[in-house]
Amino acid sequence: DTAVSQTPKYLVTQMGNDKSIKCEQNLGHDTMYWYKQDSKKFLKIMFSYNNKELIINETVPNRFSPKSPDKAHLNLHINSLELGDSAVYFCASSQRRGGGVNTEAFFGQGTRLTVV
Amino acid sequence: EDQVTQSPEALRLQEGESSSLNCSYTVSGLRGLFWYRQDPGKGPEFLFTLYSAGEEKEKERLKATLTKKESFLHITAPKPEDSATYLCAVQAYGGSQGNLIFGKGTKLSVKP
Repeated sequence: DTAVSQTPKYLVTQMGNDKSIKCEQNLGHDTMYWYKQDSKKFLKIMFSYNNKELIINETVPNRFSPKSPDKAHLNLHINSLELGDSAVYFCASSQRRGGGVNTEAFFGQGTRLTVV
Repeated sequence: EDQVTQSPEALRLQEGESSSLNCSYTVSGLRGLFWYRQDPGKGPEFLFTLYSAGEEKEKERLKATLTKKESFLHITAPKPEDSATYLCAVQAYGGSQGNLIFGKGTKLSVKP
């Protein structure tokens, strides 16, 4: 039973298109994230979302927008795709504890986005 | 600026040859340090969390330790199935909602 699942696993699309990646977690966590892993395998936070509070990494272009229909889902919408958006995108979730500490994050299997 | 640096970038070991991976960090205040394992084509898999200097955690052939400036992941008598990229990440005070700041990872190869 997968804890954090993303779809699709692979996504190939043309420049200028709009696409979405879906993420669902069944861990009951209250915080979800999107990370981007570039070609050098470096993981970097894009967004975090907790109880309707969205924190955006200031370096993320506004073509990227997360949408959370409920606590267990955080989808990623990307408008006007560019070649440089090609990367692996990971969804993750964790649970907020007292003192502002979050538990370890659990990751999905990733979505490899290729923009041609 | 909060930063995590891992070394070496790549490490090749013979089966049974013990070694250590290093993760040094610079953060305004450490909430937690996390070790993950990532296999090709998969998401990071959680290994350990360390919260305070002097803390140690063990799991099979892996042992993680923490000081005020760095963490080590010790691998004792590794096996080929330990081959993976090991990622270190920190959760910092002043950071938002448990966001993790990752290092670039150490790619470990264990040859039989």
